[in-house]
Amino acid sequence: KAGVTQTPRYLIKTRGQQVTLSCSPISGHRSVSWYQQTPGQGLQFLFEYFSETQRNKGNFPGRFSGRQFSNSRSEMNVSTLELGDSALYLCASSRDVGNYGYTFGSGTRLTVV
Amino acid sequence: TQLLEQSPQFLSIQEGENLTVYCNSSSVFSSLQWYRQEPGEGPVLLVTVVTGGEVKKLKRLTFQFGDARKDSSLHITAAQPGDTGLYLCAGEIDNQGGKLIFGQGTELSVKP
Repeated sequence: KAGVTQTPRYLIKTRGQQVTLSCSPISGHRSVSWYQQTPGQGLQFLFEYFSETQRNKGNFPGRFSGRQFSNSRSEMNVSTLELGDSALYLCASSRDVGNYGYTFGSGTRLTVV
Repeated sequence: TQLLEQSPQFLSIQEGENLTVYCNSSSVFSSLQWYRQEPGEGPVLLVTVVTGGEVKKLKRLTFQFGDARKDSSLHITAAQPGDTGLYLCAGEIDNQGGKLIFGQGTELSVKP
């Protein structure tokens, strides 16, 4: 079966711009989580969606937002980009929470210049 | 703030040696997951442990969940160059489903 698909793979943006990243989960998976990975902070949880509802949110500023569509695909948006937003953004899908484990996509490498 | 402390951060060993990676926390986890990540790719799930004291084996890898569900270890026997990569532990807390708390990772290098 197809894995978790993230687009685009690479992105270069200028400070102050906004960006939208996309994640298509594995068919049948209704939970989608987003993470930011940086060398200094490691993997940090951004938010999680299930059936179009945000169920959990990490400690990130309001510039980071997301949504989930009825087909479980999810997008995350970062407005007013800062240099520190440069990171690998990963999404993960699961059937639901509860010890199933998560399947991660390959990520979107965002560089802010 | 829930933290998961993973050690060591870096490990460079010769092929054939054994190694153990540790993850410790003051928080109780409903599950503890281990992932392996290659450069430029997302983490790949190796195992999920859910019961205190549980031990799972995956070929040369042995995973253990602490009795109190606050810590875990990954032991690799007779490491091979193909084991090289970033190993991550991640905990899930009961009332915070969908949110994984990751350790900082262990960068393992196995030299032939």
